[in-house]
Amino acid sequence: DTAVSQTPKYLVTQMGNDKSIKCEQNLGHDTMYWYKQDSKKFLKIMFSYNNKELIINETVPNRFSPKSPDKAHLNLHINSLELGDSAVYFCASSQDGRQGPRDYQETQYFGPGTRLLVL
Amino acid sequence: AQKVTQAQTEISVVEKEDVTLDCVYETRDTTYYLFWYKQPPSGELVFLIRRNSFDEQNEISGRYSWNFQKSTSSFNFTITASQVVDSAVYFCALSEAGDSGGYQKVTFGTGTKLQVIP
Repeated sequence: DTAVSQTPKYLVTQMGNDKSIKCEQNLGHDTMYWYKQDSKKFLKIMFSYNNKELIINETVPNRFSPKSPDKAHLNLHINSLELGDSAVYFCASSQDGRQGPRDYQETQYFGPGTRLLVL
Repeated sequence: AQKVTQAQTEISVVEKEDVTLDCVYETRDTTYYLFWYKQPPSGELVFLIRRNSFDEQNEISGRYSWNFQKSTSSFNFTITASQVVDSAVYFCALSEAGDSGGYQKVTFGTGTKLQVIP
């Protein structure tokens, strides 16, 4: 009954490879996110999707492409992996990502993270 | 632009001591939300509290308490009678709609690593 799940948990791969990380939430939320946490623990948003539609796209290399087949899934595909891509990638979801009246804002709940190591 | 500052990079306390983690934020929005998350050594991110900009009431949950002061743009977190299990990295975060078309964008602070020594 995991709320937000990610696979794989660990990913070790060679430079230049293409890899995907999958995320699923069973909370019935409309909005999903991808964050990157670097070696210094700095967390930064990469993408946000609401009902399968891209709403936030930070300055992320084109090699990163999110895909949302339905609102319960948000996958992250990375092409031509580089050493600097090594990090922990967190998926998150919230009921509705829109800023609304008081207390309408919903908390983001995070998956367990995927530890990516590029060699 | 929004910004969240957690000036304390690392704090060590002896078990049963009280400890306060500081968080200062910057925003031009009048409506925004503040959060605290805990990241234990196992790595997951655990939600602790959400506070909206209209509610300055302090909150207490067991040994945890939060002090939100708009006048100083601070949202500090205090752990009373700390325990070894409190050892973790704690993140303060700010959410505002800003220029995201009404959708929230969350900015995290750099985190404070708390070590509670037995």
